[in-house]
Amino acid sequence: AQSVTQLGSHVSVSEGALVLLRCNYSSSVPPYLFWYVQYPNQGLQLLLKYTSAATLVKGINGFEAEFKKSETSFHLTKPSAHMSDAAEYFCAVSDSRAGSYQLTFGKGTKLSVIP
Amino acid sequence: ETGVTQTPRHLVMGMTNKKSLKCEQHLGHNAMYWYKQSAKKPLELMFVYNFKEQTENNSVPSRFSPECPNSSHLFLHLHTLQPEDSALYLCASSLRGDWGERTLHFGNGTRLTVT
Repeated sequence: AQSVTQLGSHVSVSEGALVLLRCNYSSSVPPYLFWYVQYPNQGLQLLLKYTSAATLVKGINGFEAEFKKSETSFHLTKPSAHMSDAAEYFCAVSDSRAGSYQLTFGKGTKLSVIP
Repeated sequence: ETGVTQTPRHLVMGMTNKKSLKCEQHLGHNAMYWYKQSAKKPLELMFVYNFKEQTENNSVPSRFSPECPNSSHLFLHLHTLQPEDSALYLCASSLRGDWGERTLHFGNGTRLTVT
């Protein structure tokens, strides 16, 4: 079964500082990997998705993530944090079973941006 | 209206009540999902419908009853709930295919409180 571990339930950065949110996964086959963001009182919105086309994936709002198979990681980064980046971020991995609609989510990391 | 719309946004119900959550998508998708989001727990997939047919039911208690009359509408009927069922219920939709082609689009959720 797939699993996702997000290190740190809460991360605080200063405005303008580097954002690094960590995600490690386990999967028996090469997975599809996702990062979603959830702003207060809203649903989840896709930031970016890894589909094996390229190991460095660029997403919306200046975020990117790098797939590292040897480390089973898919960490999310942004060079310079904005106040508007304050939200909760979720990493997810696809189920390896053919035709499955299951997407396994991590517990989330809440990002705070300090002015 | 575009995207995925959920109503109501907030719902308070007693343990003996019967209520329904509604989800509507205007994206032309053919798969619809119910997720449960509880504090400090990963998102839990409850049900998936593909072209109106239920394809996944993740051992959800029978007090939750989904209905998908067409590919644009999804309901979650609730009866005799327990206080631990209080959570944010998220609806999502997607196209079919494997996760390389599929992306979840979420509604803003219904915040359910069971008293």
